[in-house]
Amino acid sequence: TQLLEQSPQFLSIQEGENLTVYCNSSSVFSSLQWYRQEPGEGPVLLVTVVTGGEVKKLKRLTFQFGDARKDSSLHITAAQPGDTGLYLCAGLPQGGSEKLVFGKGTKLTVNP
Amino acid sequence: ETGVTQTPRHLVMGMTNKKSLKCEQHLGHNAMYWYKQSAKKPLELMFVYNFKEQTENNSVPSRFSPECPNSSHLFLHLHTLQPEDSALYLCASSQAPLAGGRRQYFGPGTRLTVL
Repeated sequence: TQLLEQSPQFLSIQEGENLTVYCNSSSVFSSLQWYRQEPGEGPVLLVTVVTGGEVKKLKRLTFQFGDARKDSSLHITAAQPGDTGLYLCAGLPQGGSEKLVFGKGTKLTVNP
Repeated sequence: ETGVTQTPRHLVMGMTNKKSLKCEQHLGHNAMYWYKQSAKKPLELMFVYNFKEQTENNSVPSRFSPECPNSSHLFLHLHTLQPEDSALYLCASSQAPLAGGRRQYFGPGTRLTVL
C-alpha cells in the first residue's frame, strides 16, 4: 500500500509568516498534486508536478517535487488569512495506476 | 451551470433508511469517482467509472451501491448504513487516463450523518 505522509498535521501562524508543508513517501509517483480545501467545499487543485526536481511557483506559493519523485513540499511566503484551509497532497503511483493516493492533509490557520 | 455539482449537500439518515447521493458533471469528462473523507483519515477512493463502466471498487461494503447511467451522472445508493459511515462524500470527474498530470475536479460534497 502506497502512503503519503503529510506534516505537520496542524499549523497555526500569524499573518506575514512563512511556512512549509511536507509530503513524504517511500514510493515513487509519476506525478504529484497539491489541493486546497475550504470548509464545506471540495478540494481545488493548486498545482501538478511531474518531473523529479521540478519547482513551480504560484504567486506566494512554491511547490517542489523531490529528485526521486518520492516527496514534495509546499512553501508559502508571507502567509495571509485567505491562505487558511486544508492542504492535501495526492500522488499518482508509478506504473500506470489510475488511483490517486492522498495524504491526510495539513490544516493551516493564518491569524490576522 | 459548470463544474461538478452534488445533491444533497447535507443528509441525516437513520440506520434503516435508504437514500441516494447524486453527482453531475458539466465538463465533458469520461471518468467519475466517489471518495469518502473522514476526520483524521486520507481521502479514500471508493469507486471509479470510466465511460460508464465501473473500473474500481476499493473493497467498499455492499451497503454502498454506485450507479452510473451516463458519463455525466453518478449516484451512490445507501442502505442500512452504520454510524461510522458518517463522513463527507465527494464526487470527482476527470478526463481519463490521469497519467500525464491530468486533474480531477471535485464537487462540494455531501455531508452525511448516520444516526
